[in-house]
Amino acid sequence: DTGVSQDPRHKITKRGQNVTFRCDPISEHNRLYWYRQTLGQGPEFLTYFQNEAQLEKSRLLSDRFSAERPKGSFSTLEIQRTEQGDSAMYLCASSDNSGGDGYTFGSGTRLTVV
Amino acid sequence: SQQGEEDPQALSIQEGENATMNCSYKTSINNLQWYRQNSGRGLVHLILIRSNEREKHSGRLRVTLDTSKKSSSLLITASRAADTASYFCATDEYGNKLVFGAGTILRVKS
Repeated sequence: DTGVSQDPRHKITKRGQNVTFRCDPISEHNRLYWYRQTLGQGPEFLTYFQNEAQLEKSRLLSDRFSAERPKGSFSTLEIQRTEQGDSAMYLCASSDNSGGDGYTFGSGTRLTVV
Repeated sequence: SQQGEEDPQALSIQEGENATMNCSYKTSINNLQWYRQNSGRGLVHLILIRSNEREKHSGRLRVTLDTSKKSSSLLITASRAADTASYFCATDEYGNKLVFGAGTILRVKS
């Protein structure tokens, strides 16, 4: 297991286009999280999965955002009709049920909306 | 929303010196964690301290937690140039997610 993988690493898209990011967590981890980070800020929580169930969504996750984790393995985050304000680093993390070892983060997907 | 606030926002020291970063938070917590982030990369978990613990060590890292003051500190001893990064505290509020502060940017000059 090589940790949490995110794809793509970078994405440049035109305003109004849809984008989808993928996250492959550590295989033994039941929990998967999506965060968004803008320059100079800490990560902000977007959503969280326990296996395939999406248990919590932030108010930051507008109706243009949707996340899935089919079969409780990899997850996708889709942004529809992208806006310039969506430009950010999108981070995925996973943890076991206890969270006692902290989160393992992927390297992130940097989205630039032009 | 961000729970923790780190202080200072930026810190510049010479190699070999100690670096101390502080974090304050607002609500009751289950545990508090510190993460490091190198420029443009993901975060790396450094250390976790539970609410019933007061101090914890891991290699050159020392973390303290004062739940009465709702504050924590991270001490990095004998700093190295490779320690240059952003450091974030994150709180687990007995919920299902970590809430991160805005971070401290540490620069270690060689």
